[in-house]
Amino acid sequence: QQQVKQSPQSLIVQKGGISIINCAYENTAFDYFPWYQQFPGKGPALLIAIRPDVSEKKEGRFTISFNKSAKQFSLHIMDSQPGDSATYFCAARRLGAQKLVFGQGTRLTINP
Amino acid sequence: NAGVTQTPKFRVLKTGQSMTLLCAQDMNHEYMYWYRQDPGMGLRLIHYSVGEGTTAKGEVPDGYNVSRLKKQNFLLGLESAAPSQTSVYFCASSYSLSGAGTEAFFGQGTRLTVV
Repeated sequence: QQQVKQSPQSLIVQKGGISIINCAYENTAFDYFPWYQQFPGKGPALLIAIRPDVSEKKEGRFTISFNKSAKQFSLHIMDSQPGDSATYFCAARRLGAQKLVFGQGTRLTINP
Repeated sequence: NAGVTQTPKFRVLKTGQSMTLLCAQDMNHEYMYWYRQDPGMGLRLIHYSVGEGTTAKGEVPDGYNVSRLKKQNFLLGLESAAPSQTSVYFCASSYSLSGAGTEAFFGQGTRLTVV
Protein backbone atom coordinates (compact mmCIF):
# COMPACT_ATOMS: atom_id res chain seq x y z
CA GLN A 1 0.00 0.00 0.00
CA GLN A 2 1.23 3.49 -0.79
CA GLN A 3 1.15 5.41 2.47
CA VAL A 4 2.63 8.58 1.02
CA LYS A 5 1.30 9.84 -2.30
CA GLN A 6 3.46 12.27 -4.24
CA SER A 7 2.57 14.48 -7.19
CA PRO A 8 3.29 15.37 -9.89
CA GLN A 9 5.33 12.51 -11.32
CA SER A 10 7.27 14.96 -13.50
CA LEU A 11 7.56 18.72 -13.56
CA ILE A 12 9.16 21.21 -15.94
CA VAL A 13 9.85 24.74 -14.69
CA GLN A 14 11.59 27.67 -16.29
CA LYS A 15 14.75 29.03 -14.71
CA GLY A 16 13.87 31.52 -12.00
CA GLY A 17 10.41 30.06 -11.45
CA ILE A 18 8.93 28.33 -8.42
CA SER A 19 8.85 24.54 -8.33
CA ILE A 20 6.17 22.95 -6.15
CA ILE A 21 5.93 19.26 -5.29
CA ASN A 22 3.14 17.90 -3.13
CA CYS A 23 2.75 14.91 -0.83
CA ALA A 24 -0.22 13.55 1.08
CA TYR A 25 -0.32 10.93 3.81
CA GLU A 26 -2.94 8.99 5.75
CA ASN A 27 -1.19 7.79 8.90
CA THR A 28 -1.57 10.44 11.60
CA ALA A 29 1.17 8.71 13.61
CA PHE A 30 3.81 10.02 11.19
CA ASP A 31 5.98 12.59 12.95
CA TYR A 32 8.96 13.18 10.68
CA PHE A 33 8.76 14.32 7.06
CA PRO A 34 12.01 14.59 5.08
CA TRP A 35 12.63 15.42 1.44
CA TYR A 36 15.42 13.72 -0.46
CA GLN A 37 17.12 14.89 -3.64
CA GLN A 38 18.60 12.44 -6.14
CA PHE A 39 20.83 13.30 -9.10
CA PRO A 40 21.21 10.81 -11.99
CA GLY A 41 23.50 7.93 -11.10
CA LYS A 42 23.63 8.91 -7.43
CA GLY A 43 21.89 7.85 -4.27
CA PRO A 44 19.27 10.10 -2.63
CA ALA A 45 20.54 12.69 -0.17
CA LEU A 46 18.64 14.52 2.55
CA LEU A 47 17.58 18.00 1.42
CA ILE A 48 15.34 19.31 4.20
CA ALA A 49 13.04 17.85 6.84
CA ILE A 50 10.17 19.01 9.05
CA ARG A 51 8.31 17.82 12.13
CA PRO A 52 4.55 18.41 12.52
CA ASP A 53 4.89 20.94 15.33
CA VAL A 54 5.77 23.67 12.79
CA SER A 55 3.92 24.73 9.64
CA GLU A 56 6.92 25.82 7.60
CA LYS A 57 10.67 25.33 7.44
CA LYS A 58 12.98 27.25 5.15
CA GLU A 59 16.58 26.54 4.17
CA GLY A 60 17.90 28.87 1.51
CA ARG A 61 15.71 28.54 -1.60
CA PHE A 62 14.00 25.39 -0.29
CA THR A 63 10.86 25.54 1.87
CA ILE A 64 8.66 22.82 3.30
CA SER A 65 5.06 23.78 3.98
CA PHE A 66 3.15 21.47 6.32
CA ASN A 67 -0.63 21.27 6.75
CA LYS A 68 -1.37 18.88 9.60
CA SER A 69 -5.16 19.07 9.35
CA ALA A 70 -5.09 18.27 5.62
CA LYS A 71 -2.33 15.68 6.08
CA GLN A 72 -0.32 17.27 3.31
CA PHE A 73 3.15 18.71 2.93
CA SER A 74 4.92 20.30 0.02
CA LEU A 75 8.34 21.34 -1.17
CA HIS A 76 8.78 24.77 -2.73
CA ILE A 77 11.95 25.65 -4.63
CA MET A 78 12.23 29.38 -5.16
CA ASP A 79 14.26 30.89 -8.02
CA SER A 80 14.68 27.41 -9.53
CA GLN A 81 18.03 26.79 -11.22
CA PRO A 82 19.15 24.21 -13.82
CA GLY A 83 21.30 22.65 -11.08
CA ASP A 84 18.09 21.82 -9.20
CA SER A 85 17.12 19.36 -11.95
CA ALA A 86 16.86 16.04 -10.11
CA THR A 87 14.37 13.54 -8.74
CA TYR A 88 12.78 14.53 -5.44
CA PHE A 89 11.28 12.12 -2.93
CA CYS A 90 9.11 12.98 0.02
CA ALA A 91 9.05 10.54 2.92
CA ALA A 92 7.47 10.01 6.30
CA ARG A 93 8.25 8.07 9.45
CA ARG A 94 6.19 7.08 12.44
CA LEU A 95 7.44 8.07 15.89
CA GLY A 96 9.86 5.43 17.13
CA ALA A 97 9.76 3.43 13.91
CA GLN A 98 12.92 2.29 12.21
CA LYS A 99 11.91 2.83 8.62
CA LEU A 100 10.97 5.61 6.23
CA VAL A 101 8.05 5.38 3.79
CA PHE A 102 8.81 7.11 0.51
CA GLY A 103 6.60 8.76 -2.06
CA GLN A 104 6.79 7.79 -5.74
CA GLY A 105 9.22 10.55 -6.66
CA THR A 106 9.06 13.63 -8.90
CA ARG A 107 11.44 14.20 -11.77
CA LEU A 108 12.08 17.95 -11.87
CA THR A 109 13.58 19.63 -14.94
CA ILE A 110 14.57 23.28 -14.86
CA ASN A 111 14.87 24.76 -18.35
CA PRO A 112 17.53 27.44 -18.80
CA ASN B 1 35.26 9.42 4.71
CA ALA B 2 33.64 6.90 2.33
CA GLY B 3 30.13 6.92 3.92
CA VAL B 4 28.05 4.10 2.42
CA THR B 5 29.70 1.96 -0.25
CA GLN B 6 27.89 -0.57 -2.41
CA THR B 7 29.46 -3.29 -4.54
CA PRO B 8 29.08 -4.07 -7.33
CA LYS B 9 27.78 -0.99 -9.17
CA PHE B 10 26.42 -2.93 -12.14
CA ARG B 11 25.55 -6.58 -12.70
CA VAL B 12 23.74 -8.67 -15.28
CA LEU B 13 22.36 -12.01 -14.13
CA LYS B 14 20.65 -14.84 -15.90
CA THR B 15 17.31 -16.04 -14.54
CA GLY B 16 17.91 -18.53 -11.75
CA GLN B 17 21.41 -17.33 -10.88
CA SER B 18 22.27 -16.16 -7.41
CA MET B 19 24.28 -13.18 -6.19
CA THR B 20 25.07 -11.09 -3.14
CA LEU B 21 25.13 -7.32 -2.95
CA LEU B 22 27.45 -5.86 -0.34
CA CYS B 23 26.87 -2.67 1.60
CA ALA B 24 29.53 -1.23 3.88
CA GLN B 25 29.30 1.89 6.06
CA ASP B 26 32.09 3.52 8.02
CA MET B 27 29.95 5.85 10.17
CA ASN B 28 29.26 3.40 13.02
CA HIS B 29 25.54 3.54 12.26
CA GLU B 30 23.16 1.15 14.00
CA TYR B 31 20.45 1.08 11.36
CA MET B 32 20.88 -0.21 7.83
CA TYR B 33 18.40 -0.63 5.00
CA TRP B 34 18.04 -2.12 1.53
CA TYR B 35 15.70 -0.40 -0.94
CA ARG B 36 14.82 -1.02 -4.54
CA GLN B 37 13.98 1.82 -6.90
CA ASP B 38 11.69 1.29 -9.87
CA PRO B 39 10.18 3.94 -12.18
CA GLY B 40 6.96 5.38 -10.74
CA MET B 41 7.29 3.27 -7.58
CA GLY B 42 9.65 5.37 -5.54
CA LEU B 43 11.92 3.64 -3.04
CA ARG B 44 10.52 0.47 -1.54
CA LEU B 45 12.06 -1.12 1.54
CA ILE B 46 13.19 -4.73 1.08
CA HIS B 47 14.80 -5.57 4.45
CA TYR B 48 16.36 -3.62 7.25
CA SER B 49 18.48 -4.10 10.35
CA VAL B 50 18.42 -2.31 13.69
CA GLY B 51 21.78 -3.63 14.82
CA GLU B 52 24.44 -6.28 14.38
CA GLY B 53 22.91 -9.74 14.17
CA THR B 54 19.35 -8.49 13.59
CA THR B 55 17.27 -8.28 10.43
CA ALA B 56 13.61 -7.59 9.64
CA LYS B 57 11.34 -7.66 6.60
CA GLY B 58 10.32 -4.52 4.84
CA GLU B 59 7.64 -3.82 2.28
CA VAL B 60 8.85 -6.15 -0.53
CA PRO B 61 10.99 -8.93 1.04
CA ASP B 62 10.02 -11.89 -1.17
CA GLY B 63 12.90 -13.38 -3.15
CA TYR B 64 15.57 -11.69 -1.03
CA ASN B 65 17.55 -12.59 2.07
CA VAL B 66 19.85 -10.45 4.19
CA SER B 67 22.51 -10.83 6.84
CA ARG B 68 24.27 -8.45 9.21
CA LEU B 69 27.09 -10.36 10.80
CA LYS B 70 29.16 -7.21 11.35
CA LYS B 71 27.85 -3.80 12.33
CA GLN B 72 29.40 -2.10 9.31
CA ASN B 73 28.17 -4.58 6.68
CA PHE B 74 24.71 -5.45 5.39
CA LEU B 75 24.42 -8.10 2.67
CA LEU B 76 21.49 -8.58 0.31
CA GLY B 77 21.17 -11.96 -1.38
CA LEU B 78 19.15 -13.15 -4.34
CA GLU B 79 18.98 -16.95 -4.29
CA SER B 80 17.29 -17.44 -7.66
CA ALA B 81 17.10 -14.24 -9.67
CA ALA B 82 13.95 -13.41 -11.63
CA PRO B 83 13.38 -10.72 -14.30
CA SER B 84 11.03 -8.95 -11.83
CA GLN B 85 14.10 -8.26 -9.69
CA THR B 86 15.61 -6.05 -12.37
CA SER B 87 15.96 -2.77 -10.52
CA VAL B 88 18.33 -0.28 -8.94
CA TYR B 89 19.19 -1.29 -5.39
CA PHE B 90 20.17 1.22 -2.72
CA CYS B 91 21.63 0.62 0.68
CA ALA B 92 21.21 3.23 3.39
CA SER B 93 22.22 3.70 7.01
CA SER B 94 21.28 6.00 9.87
CA TYR B 95 22.59 6.65 13.35
CA SER B 96 19.42 6.85 15.38
CA LEU B 97 15.68 7.34 15.21
CA SER B 98 15.58 10.83 16.68
CA GLY B 99 17.21 14.20 16.40
CA ALA B 100 20.08 14.88 14.07
CA GLY B 101 20.85 11.19 13.79
CA THR B 102 17.68 10.52 11.86
CA GLU B 103 19.15 11.32 8.45
CA ALA B 104 19.54 8.31 6.18
CA PHE B 105 22.75 8.19 4.14
CA PHE B 106 22.50 6.33 0.84
CA GLY B 107 25.04 4.48 -1.24
CA GLN B 108 25.51 5.07 -4.97
CA GLY B 109 23.27 2.19 -5.97
CA THR B 110 23.63 -1.14 -7.79
CA ARG B 111 21.97 -1.47 -11.17
CA LEU B 112 20.90 -5.10 -11.57
CA THR B 113 19.51 -6.57 -14.76
CA VAL B 114 18.09 -10.10 -14.82
CA VAL B 115 17.73 -11.59 -18.30
